[in-house]
Amino acid sequence: GQQLNQSPQSMFIQEGEDVSMNCTSSSIFNTWLWYKQEPGEGPVLLIALYKAGELTSNGRLTAQFGITRKDSFLNISASIPSDVGIYFCAGGPQGGSEKLVFGKGTKLTVNP
Amino acid sequence: GAGVSQSPSNKVTEKGKDVELRCDPISGHTALYWYRQSLGQGLEFLIYFQGNSAPDKSGLPSDRFSAERTGGSVSTLTIQRTQQEDSAVYLCAGRVSGNTDTQYFGPGTRLTVL
Repeated sequence: GQQLNQSPQSMFIQEGEDVSMNCTSSSIFNTWLWYKQEPGEGPVLLIALYKAGELTSNGRLTAQFGITRKDSFLNISASIPSDVGIYFCAGGPQGGSEKLVFGKGTKLTVNP
Repeated sequence: GAGVSQSPSNKVTEKGKDVELRCDPISGHTALYWYRQSLGQGLEFLIYFQGNSAPDKSGLPSDRFSAERTGGSVSTLTIQRTQQEDSAVYLCAGRVSGNTDTQYFGPGTRLTVL
């Protein structure tokens, strides 16, 4: 089946640093989504991308839909302690499928 | 997730027992998904309900797994004869029809099979 390769698996950073994570796939996706999951909670949608090349920001978060439609990245600027959590990318496949394919997540730890 | 509830929040069971996990989606969410999240892994799709259509069961890992959605609202995921490898967090998500991305997740049920 379709798979997403998300990296890095984990990150340990100092408060105030910028963060970058990405997802790649051998398949083309129609949409790219980024979710954040905190302990004991379900994932929450952060940013949704719908067009190749699209660059979208949500506060300190910026995400881009790769031109090839096979990759996406998420940047977090000036990290703060509440940014900790697991960040997942998800792709919406072609063909009108209504099922998302999720990456394995990037666990972010921010040291104050 | 805004308004999606799942119960129980934690379930510990013995190998071989059956378990039922419940999801109460937000009213108006015509689509409902079940996912499994094993430790350190992403979300594994299990089953998808859309309105009155036949569910997409393509992600169910074995015939020990089944799910139903009654009245287009509450859904239950049943695992029969549980095995240790079934231990995971089971997440439910609902969404408005036609809007793939806006899936609202519940907090999940953490299942531990001893």
